[in-house]
Amino acid sequence: DAGVIQSPRHEVTEMGQEVTLRCKPISGHNSLFWYRQTMMRGLELLIYFNNNVPIDDSGMPEDRFSAKMPNASFSTLKIQPSEPRDSAVYFCASSTLLAGEQFFGPGTRLTVL
Amino acid sequence: GESVGLHLPTLSVQEGDNSIINCAYSNSASDYFIWYKQESGKGPQFIIDIRSNMDKRQGQRVTVLLNKTVKHLSLQIAATQPGDSAVYFCAEKTSYDKVIFGPGTSLSVIP
Repeated sequence: DAGVIQSPRHEVTEMGQEVTLRCKPISGHNSLFWYRQTMMRGLELLIYFNNNVPIDDSGMPEDRFSAKMPNASFSTLKIQPSEPRDSAVYFCASSTLLAGEQFFGPGTRLTVL
Repeated sequence: GESVGLHLPTLSVQEGDNSIINCAYSNSASDYFIWYKQESGKGPQFIIDIRSNMDKRQGQRVTVLLNKTVKHLSLQIAATQPGDSAVYFCAEKTSYDKVIFGPGTSLSVIP
């Protein structure tokens, strides 16, 4: 099993540009989570999906952030326009519907200049 | 002024000694608790979990203790090794499949 796959691993962009982060969950997992990790705020849950449906997006910082899960094997987190304060490591995690253990991907380190 | 960032609690332990990492959780309705380990440059990794109907659970070299009366969770690592150096997060499950992570504790193992 390849585990949760995230791409890109590193992204450097300029303020105002659109950024798209990608995630492939573990096959058979029904829940998918997007987290952001910074030194200032630690690990924050942004949004999570159950069976491809967004359940709770209360952690999404503002309208510049959006997430989609068009099918069970793919999700995107988009920031448009990006700002320097969005610089962070973004993690995707997946779990089976009724289990608490989440499997994390390696993360995408985003730097917005 | 602005905060300069999270001040992670740090625990330094001599190699071979036992480590105890503590965590206070917030929601008395939480029914499931998890410990994660995050090594530098990697995502958090599951270590051990415990449900609210238990007060102790043991794994390989790790034990989790749960005290619901004071909303306290602890992770004990026996015979700490250099490879145990990492940031450890406790997490509580407060609603269906939503898990809230604590701020983390940095464990440093002195060889």
